Amino acid sequence: EDKVVQSPLSLVVHEGDTVTLNCSYEVTNFRSLLWYKQEKKAPTFLFMLTSSGIEKKSGRLSSILDKKELFSILNITATQTGDSAIYLCATNSGGSNYKLTFGKGTLLTVNP
Amino acid sequence: GAVVSQHPSWVICKSGTSVKIECRSLDFQATTMFWYRQFPKQSLMLMATSNEGSKATYEQGVEKDKFLINHASLTLSTLTVTSAHPEDSSFYICSAARSSQPQHFGDGTRLSIL
Repeated sequence: EDKVVQSPLSLVVHEGDTVTLNCSYEVTNFRSLLWYKQEKKAPTFLFMLTSSGIEKKSGRLSSILDKKELFSILNITATQTGDSAIYLCATNSGGSNYKLTFGKGTLLTVNP
Repeated sequence: GAVVSQHPSWVICKSGTSVKIECRSLDFQATTMFWYRQFPKQSLMLMATSNEGSKATYEQGVEKDKFLINHASLTLSTLTVTSAHPEDSSFYICSAARSSQPQHFGDGTRLSIL
C-alpha cells in the first residue's frame, strides 16, 4: 500500500519567516509527486515534480524532489499571513487512472 | 486554465433523501474525474475514480450502491448520495484531470444530513 508522510503536522511562524515542509513517500511505480494548498475550500495545485534535483519555483514558493531518498520539500520564503493553509503532498503511482495518495497535510499558521 | 466547478457548495437535507452533486471541468476535457471525502482536520480520502463512458472504480470500503457515480461526458461527473443519513455528512470534493496532468479540484460540497 502506498504511503505518504508529511511533517510537521502543524507549524506556527511569524510573518517574514522561512518555512520548510517535508514529505516522504513509499510508493510502488512512482510517477510524480504533487503539492497542493488548501485553505477553506478545496485544494489548489502548486507543483508537480517528476525528476530528482530539479527545483520548481513560483514566487516565494519552491519545491524539489529526491527520488533516491524518497522525499520532497516545499519551501516558503518571507511568509505572509495569506500563506496560512494546509499544505498537502500527494503521489501518483501510475496505473491507468492516475489516482493520488495524499499525506495528512501540514497546517501552517503565519502570525502577523 | 484548468477550472473545475462543483455544485452545490452547501446542502442541508433530511435523513432518507438523495442528494446529487455535480462536478464540471469548465475549460478542458477531463479523461478522469475523482471523488473524495474529507472529514474535519483529516486529509482527502479517495472514494472513487470515474472515466467517461465507463463504470466508476470504487475504493475499498466505499459502497457503490450508496454513492452512485455517473460520468456522462468529458466535462461532467455526478455523485449521488442515496438515502442519506447523518453519518454521510461530510465535505465532498471532486477533481478532474486530463491524462497524466495534475488533478484540479472543485470547491467542494459541504453536505449536512439532519
